[in-house]
Amino acid sequence: ETGVTQSPTHLIKTRGQQVTLRCSSQSGHNTVSWYQQALGQGPQFIFQYYREEENGRGNFPPRFSGLQFPNYSSELNVNALELDDSALYLCASSHGTGRSTDTQYFGPGTRLTVL
Amino acid sequence: ELKVEQNPLFLSMQEGKNYTIYCNYSTTSDRLYWYRQDPGKSLESLFVLLSNGAVKQEGRLMASLDTKARLSTLHITAAVHDLSATYFCAVPNTGNQFYFGTGTSLTVIP
Repeated sequence: ETGVTQSPTHLIKTRGQQVTLRCSSQSGHNTVSWYQQALGQGPQFIFQYYREEENGRGNFPPRFSGLQFPNYSSELNVNALELDDSALYLCASSHGTGRSTDTQYFGPGTRLTVL
Repeated sequence: ELKVEQNPLFLSMQEGKNYTIYCNYSTTSDRLYWYRQDPGKSLESLFVLLSNGAVKQEGRLMASLDTKARLSTLHITAAVHDLSATYFCAVPNTGNQFYFGTGTSLTVIP
C-alpha cells in the first residue's frame, strides 16, 4: 500500500505566475483535502474533494482552484501568485463518505516560494 | 468560524519530566485529532478521539477529549529527546473542514 505522494517537492515562482501542484492519494482513499501551512503556523484548510466534486472550501480566494480525477488523484492550481502564497502545501487523503471522514493521512508537502 | 487554540506555544522540558499540552476549540465537535510534525516534514497522525471521554495512549503520549468543555489534552510522560517536535490538534466542523491549532513546539532537553 503506497502512501500519499506529492509533486514537486520544491518550487520557485515569481509574482503573477501560475502554479499546479499534484497529489496522489493513498490506495483505497476517495477524499483529498488541501492545506496551506505558512512558516510557524498551523495548516489552513483550502478545499476538499470527494469523488471528483468539491466538498467544502476554506477562506481562500477563487484564484485557488482544484480538481480531482477518477483515480482520486488531485491538483491544486493557484493563479496570479502573490508573495503571501509562499508556504508548504499539504495534501491529505482519507476514505470518506462525503459527510464525515476518517483520519486524514498527509503527504510530504510541496514547498512553494514566490519571489 | 471555528477557532482552535493550543497552549503553550513553546515548551522546553527536561528528559524524564511530565507535561500537558492543551487544545481548546470554540464550537461543538465530536471528533479531535492530534498530529506530530518534525522540522521540514509533513504531519504524522498520532490520535483520533471520536467521542466525549475518549482516551488514547501510545507510548509516552496520552490524549483525552472532553467535548462538553471543548478541551483536549496531550499528556507527555517521562519525556525523551525523540519526542521533540511540533504537535498540532485539529478539529473538523460540520462541513468536515479541518481547523488546526497554531501548534506547540516541544523541545526535550537532556
